[in-house]
Formats: sequence, structure tokens, C-alpha cells
Amino acid sequence: EVLLLESGGHLVQPGGSLRLSCAASGLTFGNYAMHWVRQAPGKGLEWVSGISGGGDVTYYADSVKGRFTISRDNSDNTVYLQLNSLRAEDTALYRCVAAYRTPGALDYWGQGSPVNVTS
Amino acid sequence: DIQMTQSPSSLSASVGDRVTITCRASQGISRWLAWYQQKPGKAPKLLIYTASILQTWVPSRFSGSGSGTDFTLTIDGLQPEDFATYFCQQANSFPYTFGQGTKLEVK
Repeated sequence: EVLLLESGGHLVQPGGSLRLSCAASGLTFGNYAMHWVRQAPGKGLEWVSGISGGGDVTYYADSVKGRFTISRDNSDNTVYLQLNSLRAEDTALYRCVAAYRTPGALDYWGQGSPVNVTS
Repeated sequence: DIQMTQSPSSLSASVGDRVTITCRASQGISRWLAWYQQKPGKAPKLLIYTASILQTWVPSRFSGSGSGTDFTLTIDGLQPEDFATYFCQQANSFPYTFGQGTKLEVK
């Protein structure tokens, strides 16, 4: 069974930073691109960022480019999302997602880690 | 960016009904279209990929079709467990984009 377990989300002030982590198990981690998808309360899905299986290629939504950084550690089966210069509109549940193909569908989803940006 | 327009935004139906949800891309995406099912408080689950290929857990009452810019998700013979929100997603190019979602409710 594939499990993706996110952590690191919390309440933060505008302009602040935090780092999300996602620990993966049940899959050959390096064979999967990893993504972060967020969902604001009561809203739809927004793809945020992705990283190739080897970690050498990254992708970002325009809304987070220059503020967020995705990275991964294949020796530890973990993907990270560094969130800087946070804004109120970044408030959302952030889910870690594994994808076998790039481009391609998003195969496995975590339950998410909440980020609340408020003063 | 490729815009995904999904309709309807909500749909009321009864057990046993046939329902169709549509998704339109702002430019051609070949068959790089996925559908997800999300239940309240849960993560989305991949339902269909490459427009028409069902995940192994998906019952055959679900089907997907389309290519280019127009796609459909059909559920033929709704079951109680099918009432959920459904999202389409273009998987053709980055940034990936999603439709706004269709909430399928009990009539």
C-alpha cells in the first residue's frame, strides 16, 4: 500500500516561512515524480509544484514561483516544499502526490498538511 | 496556461441514474486528461487516466471519453458510494490545471 504522510503545516504570519515534508512508503520512490497540490477550504484543487524522480527537474505554478522551492531526498523517500514570503492566499491544505509518468496523471495522494497564513 | 472548464458545477441525481460530466480544455491536450473522485474530508483518488483508462479499483459503470479539447465522464447506474465531487485535470503540460469540480448529490 502506498502511503504519503505530510507534516510541517501550521499557522504562520504573512511574510513568514515554513517547510512541508512528505514521507513516502510502499513505492519505489525514485521512479515517481512528486508534486504538491493545494486546496483552500471549500475550494477546488490547485497544482503547486512538481519534481522529477531524480530531482533534477522542477516545476512551479506562477502563483508560487520565486517563493516556494521543492526538493527531494531519494535516500530517505521524502519530498519537501519550502514556503517563503507567505501570503493569506496561500492558506490551504497541502497534499503530497506521487505520479509515475511525467506528464501524466497523479496516482497517489496524501491526506495533507494544513497551512494557515494569518496575522 | 491551459484552462479547464468543467460542467455542471453541481448535479442532483438518483441511484440508478446515468450522469455525464464534461470537461473542456482551452487548447488541445490529446488524451492527457485525468478524472478524480473526492469524498468529504478525504484525498482525491485517481479514477481515470489518459481520458478513458479506468484505475483497477474503479467499477465498470464509470467510463471516460474524449480527446483534444472535449472530454466526458459518465456513470451509468449510480450507486450510493458514487456521490462525491469529481475533478478533471489536464496532464498534458505544466502547470497542471484542474476543472472547478462537479459535486454529485443525491436528489
